Amino acid sequence: EADIYQTPRYLVIGTGKKITLECSQTMGHDKMYWYQQDPGMELHLIHYSYGVNSTEKGDLSSESTVSRIRTEHFPLTLESARPSHTSQYLCASSEWAENQPQHFGDGTRLSIL
Amino acid sequence: AQKITQTQPGMFVQEKEAVTLDCTYDTSDQSYGLFWYKQPSSGEMIFLIYQGSYDEQNATEGRYSLNFQKARKSANLVISASQLGDSAMYFCAMREGPGGGFKTIFGAGTRLFVKA
Repeated sequence: EADIYQTPRYLVIGTGKKITLECSQTMGHDKMYWYQQDPGMELHLIHYSYGVNSTEKGDLSSESTVSRIRTEHFPLTLESARPSHTSQYLCASSEWAENQPQHFGDGTRLSIL
Repeated sequence: AQKITQTQPGMFVQEKEAVTLDCTYDTSDQSYGLFWYKQPSSGEMIFLIYQGSYDEQNATEGRYSLNFQKARKSANLVISASQLGDSAMYFCAMREGPGGGFKTIFGAGTRLFVKA
């Protein structure tokens, strides 16, 4: 049973479009993350947040931006999509307690034509 | 610099045998956490096991155990009595301490194939 939701599940769109990937969680977690993952490959952290109005860039340089206006919502925006942005984007959340794992959404598979 | 290293891109194991998936990490923090996740071909991420840096005993969860060697900075996952359903990608992850901003980063993964 998923308590973290990502929409859309799949998106095929043309170059230059503005895209927002949605992520919402109902668990009240303060920490949220965005990872980029090509099929069968490693997860690259692109953004994370400790709570409302907190956002940090991850280890992978990304042309995307995020916002955290509400605890449950952590959208990712690409202002101008390019073919190099084609990938899967995974959203995750976790509690602050150090032994608590991340809960992942089902991902958004993005294809930029 | 890569902070989580999984040196085995792919591993094969015979059904019912045990297999060890390697993970080494690099951090200067004293407090950190190590996680293993399983990602089947369907794509979901499934949490398997956790080891805290101050835990003195190796973590165990059912058929999964973590061989934690702090001085060597390794946190290998051991799967006992492999099953066909264990075929998947396995990721080692580290929740960094204050020096790393408390973020969680992942290794490149190991693809495990269980043979009947």
